[in-house]
Amino acid sequence: DTGVSQDPRHKITKRGQNVTFRCDPISEHNRLYWYRQTLGQGPEFLTYFQNEAQLEKSRLLSDRFSAERPKGSFSTLEIQRTEQGDSAMYLCASITPRTGYGNTIYFGEGSWLTVV
Amino acid sequence: AQSVTQLDSHVSVSEGTPVLLRCNYSSSYSPSLFWYVQHPNKGLQLLLKYTSAATLVKGINGFEAEFKKSETSFHLTKPSAHMSDAAEYFCVVSDLSGSARQLTFGSGTQLTVLP
Repeated sequence: DTGVSQDPRHKITKRGQNVTFRCDPISEHNRLYWYRQTLGQGPEFLTYFQNEAQLEKSRLLSDRFSAERPKGSFSTLEIQRTEQGDSAMYLCASITPRTGYGNTIYFGEGSWLTVV
Repeated sequence: AQSVTQLDSHVSVSEGTPVLLRCNYSSSYSPSLFWYVQHPNKGLQLLLKYTSAATLVKGINGFEAEFKKSETSFHLTKPSAHMSDAAEYFCVVSDLSGSARQLTFGSGTQLTVLP
């Protein structure tokens, strides 16, 4: 499978625990995005990377959230001291920008987080 | 700044009848526009995209959308609904040419297909 893969697909954790999600983008894609989607809502932007550089972070990304892409390939999203409000699906997407328009963004199937 | 408004949160059609999901956008630049579909507990699948070429865009599974700049609309249509079309649909605007570097999603339209 050469699509965007995310792991784990589902995670149930107790409040206060730390969790980490991994995203493996399509191999030639240099831009990687993280989104959060809560029930009944569209995905909301969290952060994105151009290669290993984290270029933009949403105000939704509190100091308990950290994302890395150390070698410009896979990325991790860590949530520390989880709260029940963190329960959501965390989506990863990747793209290889070309000059002009028409770049297709490919999404993974998401990582579901339930904080109990 | 860019934004997307999906005019209907829920649409219900009978199998075999036409589907219309409405989307209006706002963008400072010439945008790229997408429709994605999300089945329950699944990720997002691209249906079609507009990239400043032909204004009528054909996608997968018989869906198509027409970009109308004068109306700032990008409505999604399908001539005949199938039960498998029941899902959540998201209209998305992307401005990768300017300072906005992320996708902006609409709030989604839940499509129900009745037998």
